[in-house]
Amino acid sequence: DAGVTQSPTHLIKTRGQQVTLRCSPKSGHDTVSWYQQALGQGPQFIFQYYEEEERQRGNFPDRFSGHQFPNYSSELNVNALLLGDSALYLCASSTWSAVGGYTFGSGTRLTVV
Amino acid sequence: EDQVTQSPEALRLQEGESSSLNCSYTVSGLRGLFWYRQDPGKGPEFLFTLYSAGEEKEKERLKATLTKKESFLHITAPKPEDSATYLCAVEGVTGGGNKLTFGTGTQLKVEL
Repeated sequence: DAGVTQSPTHLIKTRGQQVTLRCSPKSGHDTVSWYQQALGQGPQFIFQYYEEEERQRGNFPDRFSGHQFPNYSSELNVNALLLGDSALYLCASSTWSAVGGYTFGSGTRLTVV
Repeated sequence: EDQVTQSPEALRLQEGESSSLNCSYTVSGLRGLFWYRQDPGKGPEFLFTLYSAGEEKEKERLKATLTKKESFLHITAPKPEDSATYLCAVEGVTGGGNKLTFGTGTQLKVEL
């Protein structure tokens, strides 16, 4: 049973560039959430998608955007990259109707130089 | 706004030396409190969900407890393979739920 799959695993980008990260949820899950984890910090909620709509958003600028596809997979896009965007980006899938039940992927390590 | 504070930030134990990690939280209507284990460069791995004060859950050398203001993760006779960062998170009813608020974690090192 495949868990949450994220790609790529590592990425190096230059300031000002744009990046797209991808996530395939665990089988049976319909909701995808994205988190940013800076070094030595806990994950911070970016946003959540269900039924192809953004349902909740954390305190992140509009440079961060996302999309959910009919097969429940999701993309996170970040425009105009800043050095401070360097972090581990985590995708978590769950079932909308349930409390908890989040399964996290291994993350994408983004380095902005 | 939901808040989670974990202590200590780092903990070094000898193998077999039991201890507890603390998670203090404030939340408007607790839907669930979660404990995760995270190894370096990996995503969080689920350990426990607690839903109401007084609840306890156990798994191998770990036991999680919950009160109305805090949760404890008790580690009994730890082994080196228990070394990891332990994260606490809450899901509250405000904002439509389905969102985790994490603490900064406790980095545990168990030595031989």
